[in-house]
Amino acid sequence: QKEVEQNSGPLSVPEGAIASLNCTYSDRGSQSFFWYRQYSGKSPELIMFIYSNGDKEDGRFTAQLNKASQYVSLLIRDSQPSDSATYLCAVKAGTASKLTFGTGTRLQVTL
Amino acid sequence: GAVVSQHPSWVICKSGTSVKIECRSLDFQATTMFWYRQFPKQSLMLMATSNEGSKATYEQGVEKDKFLINHASLTLSTLTVTSAHPEDSSFYICSAVDRVGEQYFGPGTRLTVT
Repeated sequence: QKEVEQNSGPLSVPEGAIASLNCTYSDRGSQSFFWYRQYSGKSPELIMFIYSNGDKEDGRFTAQLNKASQYVSLLIRDSQPSDSATYLCAVKAGTASKLTFGTGTRLQVTL
Repeated sequence: GAVVSQHPSWVICKSGTSVKIECRSLDFQATTMFWYRQFPKQSLMLMATSNEGSKATYEQGVEKDKFLINHASLTLSTLTVTSAHPEDSSFYICSAVDRVGEQYFGPGTRLTVT
């Protein structure tokens, strides 16, 4: 069983719509959760992190965490073509620095 | 914000030769750096954890004698791919952890072994 699971996609949404990306994790000891965006041929860039249950909003992005169900999601409002990328979910257990990444979901925002 | 650089950004080498990749934290000190490898259309796979002044910790299945890691200072870690083979062709990414635990990624190094 993979430790961090994501649907590989592609997830296709029209411009202006809400994109919803999901991630589940297996380690109940996971403490910190991260969403990274990765454009083709580039390294990941951090979009958001969340530590507590509930929602966390930052501009057009909202991260949602449900530790009881062991899932974390990322909502992108008013999706733009520039949001087209692969979105990686990553989790960290406790105070350790090591991140475990999911395989990523490829998002395509269509005109 | 914190900046991590990698050098070179891309390299082509012949099979059997060795290649060194540098990872530098430019404006902060990093006691811990990580090395990842990413094959096309796959996720980042952690290869090893590099700690300043001590031996690197390798993930299961990663050959420590093939992928030599040196973290000689608080701002520099190097990964040397020894006796490279075409199957080692990949995108190698490092990250550095600052004093508050935030992790910053380098831009990556594209290695092609012919």
